[in-house]
Amino acid sequence: GQQLNQSPQSMFIQEGEDVSMNCTSSSIFNTWLWYKQEPGEGPVLLIALYKAGELTSNGRLTAQFGITRKDSFLNISASIPSDVGIYFCAGRGAGGTSYGKLTFGQGTILTVHP
Amino acid sequence: DAGVTQSPTHLIKTRGQQVTLRCSPKSGHDTVSWYQQALGQGPQFIFQYYEEEERQRGNFPDRFSGHQFPNYSSELNVNALLLGDSALYLCASSLALGLAGENEQFFGPGTRLTVL
Repeated sequence: GQQLNQSPQSMFIQEGEDVSMNCTSSSIFNTWLWYKQEPGEGPVLLIALYKAGELTSNGRLTAQFGITRKDSFLNISASIPSDVGIYFCAGRGAGGTSYGKLTFGQGTILTVHP
Repeated sequence: DAGVTQSPTHLIKTRGQQVTLRCSPKSGHDTVSWYQQALGQGPQFIFQYYEEEERQRGNFPDRFSGHQFPNYSSELNVNALLLGDSALYLCASSLALGLAGENEQFFGPGTRLTVL
């Protein structure tokens, strides 16, 4: 099935460092979402973006909706051990219902060393 | 406020068998979507139910079917199980006519299906 191209696949960082990850698509999306998934849990919504160029923050997390509507970026500042997990981008397409299917990236595995 | 709940948490089946997974949406939500997440992959959209009808479907065979009940809860049925059906099955609920931010999909913890 179709998936977004998410990079990097994994990151190993020291506590306190900043993190950047991104997601690209060959298709235009109306909505970009960023989720975090921890072992044994379902994805948890972190940030939702609805307009091209939009920059939104949620605590130490900042995400941007690319101007071309084909990409999105997530930054985590001053990482802490509880940031460990798998981060997924997801896009919702321009066609169809606004609450339709989400297309997910392959995920970025984040490991934070104390 | 109860979130999305799914049952069972784990399930082991053999090839050729049939399975039914269940989902109760977040309180106030009326739309249920189902996703399959293979190990090491992102979730893949199976289908979405609203007003007891399948509204949108991903690239999954007819062996995958579903149902939504009047109380908005939902079931996912998979017939003639294959080894490749082993995955985490996620249910997500949302509000069809919510404002931006209210109609995003909230996920349950998933059902881990193993097919032997």
